[in-house]
Amino acid sequence: QSALTQPASVSGSPGQSITISCTGTSNDVGGYKYVSWYQQHPGKAPKLMIYDVSYRPSGVSIRFSGSKSGNTASLTISGLQAEDEANYYCSSWTRRSTLIFGGGTKLTVL
Amino acid sequence: QITLKESGPTLVKPTETLTLTCTFSGFSLSTDLVAVGWIRQPPGKALEWLALIYWNDDDRYSPSLKSRLTITKDTSKNQVVLTITNMDPVDTATYYCAHRLTEADGWQFDYWGQGTLVTVS
Repeated sequence: QSALTQPASVSGSPGQSITISCTGTSNDVGGYKYVSWYQQHPGKAPKLMIYDVSYRPSGVSIRFSGSKSGNTASLTISGLQAEDEANYYCSSWTRRSTLIFGGGTKLTVL
Repeated sequence: QITLKESGPTLVKPTETLTLTCTFSGFSLSTDLVAVGWIRQPPGKALEWLALIYWNDDDRYSPSLKSRLTITKDTSKNQVVLTITNMDPVDTATYYCAHRLTEADGWQFDYWGQGTLVTVS
């Protein structure tokens, strides 16, 4: 199964909002609510930022939000801060009862 | 507080079998709905899910690697072990174990180990 499709890179200035997309198919993103987003700083383990499409784990800033439309999920970060600069990965449950990740998006805060 | 830590060899030769151990604390793998997964990340590349084991010994594997993977648990030792046979240089990666978020369905990982880099050469 192919990875979910994410833009390779996005950028924004401090205080701005950005959105990262994650496109799959009806067999994964489009068919289930089990879409999550992870933030990964260089050399560090991933951190869960969003689960079940739009829920934030305890301790995650409200600046992070998630949504889904059809086969595409999105992560929006508002009020960009320098510390948000990282790689972001989406993941989704699939119809084959497996887990698939996106290719990752590098967020640069200008 | 939940913590996980991966351990195993840092260097293996092609065709060898890799055995990685995830030692965890702060939860029990005998509790309903609890699961631990393994995910890897080649240098500079994306995350790839490998395997997952549930509290009830139910296990799941990545279809592309299924024939080479085995995941087991030792509840008394708070450990999960992943073995990968016939290692190849393309298997060079940082290997992570992670705790599945139990407040939701699906496989979403809320706690991760620090990762261990395994080089195949």
